[in-house]
Amino acid sequence: SYELSQPPSVSVSPGQTATITCSGDSLGDKFTSWYQQQPGLSPVLVIYEDTRRPSGIPERFSGSNSGNTATLTISGTQAMDEADYYCQAWDTSIVVFGGGTKLTVL
Amino acid sequence: EVQLVESGGGLVQPGGSLRLSCAASELTFSNYPMTWIRQAPGKGLEWVASISGSGESTYYADSVKGRFTIYRDNSRFTLFLQLSTLSAEDTAVYYCARGFRADPYDYWGQGTLVTVSS
Repeated sequence: SYELSQPPSVSVSPGQTATITCSGDSLGDKFTSWYQQQPGLSPVLVIYEDTRRPSGIPERFSGSNSGNTATLTISGTQAMDEADYYCQAWDTSIVVFGGGTKLTVL
Repeated sequence: EVQLVESGGGLVQPGGSLRLSCAASELTFSNYPMTWIRQAPGKGLEWVASISGSGESTYYADSVKGRFTIYRDNSRFTLFLQLSTLSAEDTAVYYCARGFRADPYDYWGQGTLVTVSS
């Protein structure tokens, strides 16, 4: 079965750049999406097709994907960005989520 | 803006059954695949099942295959998930979301909690 690995936690200071990675075998050959989940709320799509931002998502959110690693980058991180982030990809007819990364803005 | 509203969650005994519903606000409901995703308390997201726009094709995670059934009624803009032979490991918030495979999950419902306990 296909698996995606994320670091359990990432910390960043306000205004700095946060980087969250997602690793999987040949992940660069697949499209990756990223979801933000605030406590007690439903997930929100922030990046799809590796690099694309849905309407309404701030420009400070960006993504990349190459080799075995996809990356979510948050530039100029704000306190409101503190949340859990999940990467997601699909392989044939199976959907896989990463285990999630808790982003703390200190 | 698309709205998805789940219902049907609750407390059920081990071995029991439950049917979840997800009502969509959009008239183009049948144009999109739909998916159920669950989240156990304090845990991450887990894909459960997906269905094509027409309802002809369905896909399941190994953990629920043979026990859960996903289906849809496009005339009522409603998605369903029939859960059976439930165990404590199925306790989770169940979300419906629009999308599958190449279509990202761009809209999510608020979730409905299923608790399996005696």
